[in-house]
Amino acid sequence: DTEVTQTPKHLVMGMTNKKSLKCEQHMGHRAMYWYKQKAKKPPELMFVYSYEKLSINESVPSRFSPECPNSSLLNLHLHALQPEDSALYLCASSQARQNNEQFFGPGTRLTVL
Amino acid sequence: QQQVKQSPQSLIVQKGGISIINCAYENTAFDYFPWYQQFPGKGPALLIAIRPDVSEKKEGRFTISFNKSAKQFSLHIMDSQPGDSATYFCAAVFSGGYNKLIFGAGTRLAVHP
Repeated sequence: DTEVTQTPKHLVMGMTNKKSLKCEQHMGHRAMYWYKQKAKKPPELMFVYSYEKLSINESVPSRFSPECPNSSLLNLHLHALQPEDSALYLCASSQARQNNEQFFGPGTRLTVL
Repeated sequence: QQQVKQSPQSLIVQKGGISIINCAYENTAFDYFPWYQQFPGKGPALLIAIRPDVSEKKEGRFTISFNKSAKQFSLHIMDSQPGDSATYFCAAVFSGGYNKLIFGAGTRLAVHP
């Protein structure tokens, strides 16, 4: 199984809502990533988890809260988002060793009203 | 210093032609250079990658040329097909940096029949 799955595929939320994005992989990868991608732009790294510990936070606003409950799951909790947070949110995973391929999921298309 | 510059922004090629996308970097700490292909509504997928101790790598119709002294690398797609129409991102990875991908801005390739 070389797949990273993400749910939901689409999400529409108001600025006062609380929602969560979910990512799952069963490749035995111990590094997992959240990226944000705006239209016609490259993915921007948000967070990196290595062995279930947060390793990198790219100065992401606290309205985004990541969680890695186990080695296969990665969540992104959303609260009080702004319309400019509307984007494609991508999850990826890789071996925790250096210079290993990152496998990306299909993403969650988020719209904040 | 952390940037990867990619050109052109968009490219139109006739079926059977050669598509060439160029990237340049400044930081010599980069030691792994992957290319990702992204179709609309999908996550990026690794196409081919190279390390700086190799000057060229070929996989099927896709070739990476790497010039370490010039700090430049390029992707060549031979016999381009309409199914190759996608956005291509070059990237670079820091040695020892939690596998952090630094993406170029992307090239939108359209292959016309």
